Amino acid sequence: EVQLVESGGGLVQPGGSLRLSCAASGFTVSSNYMSWVRQAPGKGLEWVSVIYSGGSTYYADSVKGRFTISRDNSKNTLYLQMNSLRAEDTAVYYCASSEDSSSPRGFDYWGQGTLVTVSS
Amino acid sequence: QSALTQPASVSGSPGQSITISCTGTSSDVGGYNYVSWYQQHPGKAPKLMIYDVSNRPSGVSNRFSGSKSGNTASLTISGLQAEDEADYYCSSYTSSSTSLWVFGGGTKLTVL
Repeated sequence: EVQLVESGGGLVQPGGSLRLSCAASGFTVSSNYMSWVRQAPGKGLEWVSVIYSGGSTYYADSVKGRFTISRDNSKNTLYLQMNSLRAEDTAVYYCASSEDSSSPRGFDYWGQGTLVTVSS
Repeated sequence: QSALTQPASVSGSPGQSITISCTGTSSDVGGYNYVSWYQQHPGKAPKLMIYDVSNRPSGVSNRFSGSKSGNTASLTISGLQAEDEADYYCSSYTSSSTSLWVFGGGTKLTVL
C-alpha cells in the first residue's frame, strides 16, 4: 500500500526557513515524479514544485529562488526546503506522487498534509 | 485568481446528475489531454477521481466521468449520493512559463 507522510510544518517568522519532509512507503520515490502542492486556508490548490525520476526539478514562479525540492533515495523521502518565507506562503503543504512516471497526468497519491504558518 | 475557471458551487438531489465545468486556454486544457479531477472532503487530502480527461483510477466509482471540448473540461457525477458532497478541483498540465500544473479554484458540490 502506498503511503505518504509529511512532517516539518509549524509556525515561522517572515523571512525564516523551514524544511518539510515526506516519507514514502509502498513505492520508491526515485521511480516516479513527486510534487509539493499547497492549499492556503480556505483557498484552492496550488502546484509548488516537482522532481522527476531523472532528478530534474521545476518550480512555480511564486516560490522560484526561495524553495528547493530534493529527495534522499536511501531514506525514501522527499523534502522541500523553504527559505525567505512570506505570509502568503501560509498553507497546508501536501506531497503527491504519480503512478505513471512517463505521463504528466496528475497525482494518484497524496499525503495528509502539514501546516506551515508564516507570522510574526 | 486561479488559472482554470470553475463555478463556485453546484447542487443536486440524490439520484440526479450534475456537471462541473473547467475552462482554461489552449496552453493547458485545450492543448493537452492531461486534465485531472480531484475530490476533497473537509480537512482531508485531495483524491484523484479522473485523469487524462476521462480515465478513472482503480476503485473510483463509474458514476464519475470526464470529458473535454476545446478549452473546457467537464466532470459529470451521476446518481448523486450524500457522500459525493465535497469540493472538486480540476487540474491540467500546462505550457505556461510560470507553472507546470494549474488548478481550478474549486467547486463546492452540495447534495440537497
